[in-house]
Amino acid sequence: AQSVTQLDSQVPVFEEAPVELRCNYSSSVSVYLFWYVQYPNQGLQLLLKYLSGSTLVKGINGFEAEFNKSQTSFHLRKPSVHISDTAEYFCAVSISGNTPLVFGKGTRLSVIA
Amino acid sequence: EAGVAQSPRYKIIEKRQSVAFWCNPISGHATLYWYQQILGQGPKLLIQFQNNGVVDDSQLPKDRFSAERLKGVDSTLKIQPAKLEDSAVYLCASSSGLEVDTQYFGPGTRLTVL
Repeated sequence: AQSVTQLDSQVPVFEEAPVELRCNYSSSVSVYLFWYVQYPNQGLQLLLKYLSGSTLVKGINGFEAEFNKSQTSFHLRKPSVHISDTAEYFCAVSISGNTPLVFGKGTRLSVIA
Repeated sequence: EAGVAQSPRYKIIEKRQSVAFWCNPISGHATLYWYQQILGQGPKLLIQFQNNGVVDDSQLPKDRFSAERLKGVDSTLKIQPAKLEDSAVYLCASSSGLEVDTQYFGPGTRLTVL
């Protein structure tokens, strides 16, 4: 079975500062990795995904993530955050593209003006 | 392209009552998922459909939850009778079913059981 640990439940950061949201996973087989964002009262929107190839993945809204197989991590980064980035961020894994996602508990990013 | 549609967006019921949620996936998407998201947690799978067949319902509390996907398009999730612990957001997602496809989520239905 797969599991995902998001190490920080809340991350406050000042506007225009960099941010890193941490994600570690556990799996006995190869996985696909995803980051989703959830704005208040909305569904989940895909930020980026790692399927194979380059370990540095670029997504929407200036976010990027790096897959580290040896550390079983997939941390999300943004060099300069905006107020509009305030949301809940979820890391997720799946063992194929047609299997359910296993999510972490989420990290609430709060951007302070 | 229209996204995943869900209704209602909000529902408040008393415990032991029944409730149903509806989902219309993206056109042509063969795979449909229902997830339950309890406050402060990540979504957890309830059931997965491939066309109109059930692929995985191992985490569905079958004594009170049921789901169907007639004709392989729309889906309905029902709870009967509801318990206080069923208060959550119910998310529907769909994907084309291809090997490396992405799941697309609807806005969810927020259920409050009093």
